[in-house]
Amino acid sequence: DTGVSQDPRHKITKRGQNVTFRCDPISEHNRLYWYRQTLGQGPEFLTYFQNEAQLEKSRLLSDRFSAERPKGSFSTLEIQRTEQGDSAMYLCASSQGQGPNEKLFFGSGTQLSVL
Amino acid sequence: GQQVMQIPQYQHVQEGEDFTTYCNSSTTLSNIQWYKQRPGGHPVFLIQLVKSGEVKKQKRLTFQFGEAKKNSSLHITATQTTDVGTYFCAGRLGAQKLVFGQGTRLTINP
Repeated sequence: DTGVSQDPRHKITKRGQNVTFRCDPISEHNRLYWYRQTLGQGPEFLTYFQNEAQLEKSRLLSDRFSAERPKGSFSTLEIQRTEQGDSAMYLCASSQGQGPNEKLFFGSGTQLSVL
Repeated sequence: GQQVMQIPQYQHVQEGEDFTTYCNSSTTLSNIQWYKQRPGGHPVFLIQLVKSGEVKKQKRLTFQFGEAKKNSSLHITATQTTDVGTYFCAGRLGAQKLVFGQGTRLTINP
């Protein structure tokens, strides 16, 4: 499979625990995005990387969220001290190139449930 | 900041009826993209519009980009059950990130 893959598909955790998600983009894609989606809403931008550099982080994102892309390939998103409001689908997307013609290829997402 | 609004939030039609969803931006966009998300699935790219007043067709789907590059629409003629899903517009300001609308969920009565 040459698409964007995310792991795990589902994560159930207790409030206060830390969780980490992984995204493997399409291999030749240099950009990687993290979005969050709740029921009935569109994907909400969290952060993105150009190769290993994190170029933008949403102002809505608290300090409990951190993302890395250490070698410019896979990325991890960590949420510390999870809260019930963090429950959502976390989507990763990758793209090749940049600029106005860039289109995103999404993974299947990680569904997080915080109890 | 940039906002992209989409209406209606839900639309239920009889199979064979037409469907339209509308997208409006608070700012002029460099381009707009449309994605489809099937129930339980992830967003999949459909098309991109770049030019003012641009119209593109994909079989029964017609996409339009407004003259002012602030609004867009997706029209489906004679819906089929395979059209079920949520349709998102996503606007881009310059070379910045895509901002998604909240989507229009289409359900179809066969």
